[in-house]
Amino acid sequence: QSALTQPASVSGSPGQSITISCTGTSSDVGDYNSVSWYQQHPGKAPKLMIYDVIIRPSGVSSRFSGSKSGNTASLTISGLQAEDEADYYCSSCTSTLVLFGGGTKLTVL
Amino acid sequence: QVQVVQSGAEVKKPGASVKVSCKASGYSFTSYYMHWVRQAPGQGLEWMGLINPSGGSTSYAQKFQGRVTMTRDTSTSTVYMELSSLRSEDTAVFYCATSGGVPYSYFDYWGQGTLVTVSS
Repeated sequence: QSALTQPASVSGSPGQSITISCTGTSSDVGDYNSVSWYQQHPGKAPKLMIYDVIIRPSGVSSRFSGSKSGNTASLTISGLQAEDEADYYCSSCTSTLVLFGGGTKLTVL
Repeated sequence: QVQVVQSGAEVKKPGASVKVSCKASGYSFTSYYMHWVRQAPGQGLEWMGLINPSGGSTSYAQKFQGRVTMTRDTSTSTVYMELSSLRSEDTAVFYCATSGGVPYSYFDYWGQGTLVTVSS
C-alpha cells in the first residue's frame, strides 16, 4: 500500500488557524478509525498529538484537533503560535500494517 | 515515568549489518508492542515492523522482509532491531516506539532515535 498523501507545506500567521489534510484510501483511512498525527521538530523524535482520529493525549494543547471524512483525515491547529512551526505526519493503521503520510512542513509567518 | 532509550550512533560499511537496541522502563515491558520507524535524512517516517515483547512474535513491512530481524530480551526489557545487507540508502535515523494495547495503533512513547550511517 502507498503512503498517505499530505501537502508538502502549509503556512499561517500567529493567531490564525490552519488545516493539514491526509488522504488515504477506503482500505486504510476510510476503513479504520486509527488515524494519528505527530509533530516533529528538527532533530527531535516525533510527538503524538492526536490519536484515534479525534483524541488528544494528556498534555497536548486544545488548539490541536482532528477529524475525518471518508478517506481524508485532517489536523487543525487554531491560534497558531511560533512553537507550532514543525513537521507534521499523519498515520493510519490497518489490521496488518502502519502507513505514514509524507509529512507537512508548517511555517508560522 | 515511561522511558525508551536507544543505543548510540553507528557507522557501517555497505553489506554489513547493524543492530540497534531500545531499552524500556516505567511500564510493564510485555504489555505494549514495540515498533521500529525509519527516517532517512530530510525524508518522512517509514514503518518497518513490530514485535510483541510478550511472546516475541513479529510482523515486518513488506519492504524490509528478509533484511530485518526484531528480537527482545525480557530480562532487560530491551528490544533489538537488526538490519542486514546495508546499502547507502539505509542511512537514516531509526526510532523505536511503543503502541497501545493493540498491535497496530498509535505510537505514544518514542525513543530518541539512533543514526545509522552507511558509508564505504
